[in-house]
Amino acid sequence: EAQVTQNPRYLITVTGKKLTVTCSQNMNHEYMSWYRQDPGLGLRQIYYSMNVEVTDKGDVPEGYKVSRKEKRNFPLILESPSPNQTSLYFCASSLGRGLASGGETQYFGPGTRLLVL
Amino acid sequence: AQTVTQSQPEMSVQEAETVTLSCTYDTSESDYYLFWYKQPPSRQMILVIRQEAYKQQNATENRFSVNFQKAAKSFSLKISDSQLGDAAMYFCAYRTSFGSNYKLTFGKGTLLTVNP
Repeated sequence: EAQVTQNPRYLITVTGKKLTVTCSQNMNHEYMSWYRQDPGLGLRQIYYSMNVEVTDKGDVPEGYKVSRKEKRNFPLILESPSPNQTSLYFCASSLGRGLASGGETQYFGPGTRLLVL
Repeated sequence: AQTVTQSQPEMSVQEAETVTLSCTYDTSESDYYLFWYKQPPSRQMILVIRQEAYKQQNATENRFSVNFQKAAKSFSLKISDSQLGDAAMYFCAYRTSFGSNYKLTFGKGTLLTVNP
């Protein structure tokens, strides 16, 4: 089954304790992206990756890191989480090139709900 | 920068009736993609329908259809024969065709309630 998976789905942590949220897709997609969703602010892009070893900042990258060592995986790293990073996080992927019909469509993971105390 | 506006924070519809959700966007680009995503209480983001800006024909997917007015920069979603399972938050989203970041720019969402 074609899908984007995220782990963990729920996480409660304390300020300053490093954590990683994993994202994996099995569709051989080139493009992957992280969003955070907050009430009243909607979904905002954190980081994106066009392909292996190619990453760049989105609109709200402060406090986050990413890596893309393999095509299928795109982990989100919070080196020193703070309470303002409490949010619902989504990973998404797409073919990227948009050459094939539907290739531009982004598919989302189930979300990771993070609470930083 | 592109912006997406959903002017209806909440909408309600009777089961089996039709409802239309509004979306407008602002862009200077001529080629782009538009999407409607559904977010039920599970919080999963589910693609409902997509539209390429270069296509004049409005997209349809079963009970879901769009009214794409490129000149007016309007992209409304019509849900026919509404079902209880359609109750969710609906997001309109824009994606550029240019550059290397295929970021989705989302509206703030419309919460749809379906009454039995």
